[in-house]
Order: sequence, then C-alpha cells, then structure tokens
Amino acid sequence: GEDVEQSLFLSVREGDSSVINCTYTDSSSTYLYWYKQEPGAGLQLLTYIFSNMDMKQDQRLTVLLNKKDKHLSLRIADTQTGDSAIYFCAPRGAGSYQLTFGKGTKLSVIP
Amino acid sequence: DAGVIQSPRHEVTEMGQEVTLRCKPISGHDYLFWYRQTMMRGLELLIYFNNNVPIDDSGMPEDRFSAKMPNASFSTLKIQPSEPRDSAVYFCASSSTTTPQEDTQYFGPGTRLTVL
Repeated sequence: GEDVEQSLFLSVREGDSSVINCTYTDSSSTYLYWYKQEPGAGLQLLTYIFSNMDMKQDQRLTVLLNKKDKHLSLRIADTQTGDSAIYFCAPRGAGSYQLTFGKGTKLSVIP
Repeated sequence: DAGVIQSPRHEVTEMGQEVTLRCKPISGHDYLFWYRQTMMRGLELLIYFNNNVPIDDSGMPEDRFSAKMPNASFSTLKIQPSEPRDSAVYFCASSSTTTPQEDTQYFGPGTRLTVL
C-alpha cells in the first residue's frame, strides 16, 4: 500500500516562509491533499493538487508536485502565528476514495 | 451546512465497558470514513462506507470493533469490550462523489476516547 513520509517538526519565524515536504510511494496517486489540524480540532482541508499539475497557488499557499520523484511540498508565505498547527499530506490512489495520511508535520511559528 | 457532527466529544470509560461513537455526515455526502488518531500510529483508516454499505473494513483492529450505517445520515462505531489501548481520538469524515475533481473528505471534530 501507499507509504507517506513527512518530517515531524518545523520551526520558523513569523513573517518567513515555511516549506513542508512530503514523499509518497504510489505513483498512481491522482489527487494529493494538504490538511491542517489545530490543537483539539479535526482536520481542515487546506488545498489539493491534481496529479497532472506541477504547481497550484492559493493566496499564501503554494503546492509543488514532482511526480517523477513522488515529492509534494506546501509553501506558506508570510507565516503567521495562526499557522501553527500540524500539517498532513494525503495522497489518493487511482480508482480509490481512500486517503493515506502521513504522520504530520508540526509547524511552530516563533513570534 | 453544519459540517460533520460527532458525539460525544469526550468519552471516559473503564476497561471492559461498551463504547459507542456517533457520526452525522454532511447531508448529501455518499461516503463516510472512520479514522483513529494516536501519537504512535498517526491517522489510520478503520472503515469506510459508500451509500451506507461497508466497502473496506480492513483497518478495523479486531472483532471488538464494529461499525454500522443504518441510513445516510447516521453512523456508529462500537467498541465492545473496550481496552486501554483503544484510547485515541476517533474521527469521522464524509465526502461526495457528485463533486467533480474534488471528492474532498470533510472531517468532524473528533471524539477523544479514554479507557481507564
């Protein structure tokens, strides 16, 4: 089955850019999602990218997809303290409605 | 829409007791997913339904776990008997295949289960 790897922790200063990386194993993944989880809350969809795209920009968020290397990244520009949370990468396999989640990257924003 | 609704938000029980977690998906969604989140194992898919029918329950840890979806607006996850290692946050999510290109899963707030 799919295996998804993420770094567990990332710390950045307020105003800097954050880059959260993810690698996955299933080359047939069609949609790749980024979710955000704040303390004590459920997962909130941030953005997603379809596998035929290399990049998607949505306000402060930029998603980059390298299909050859099976590498996905999420860039948050002008990181704010409110961005402190755990970020999950979740690819969806072809013909499937299941998502496979990474362990999540805990982003800490230093004021 | 109110989003995915889960109840209770917190449950504390003693080992051996039966626990029932409840979920109301977003109206019109035809997929429902149950996940378990722990520090050690992260977020694991337990089971999912399509049009109220269980499609894949391979993630259900053992026979003590069971899930039902009697209608399109309600699902339960039952643990009987509960054990301390079942302590986790249980999430329900729903999605709609009628939304092209997305099929995004929307998550509920979760139920934090503690088994003493």
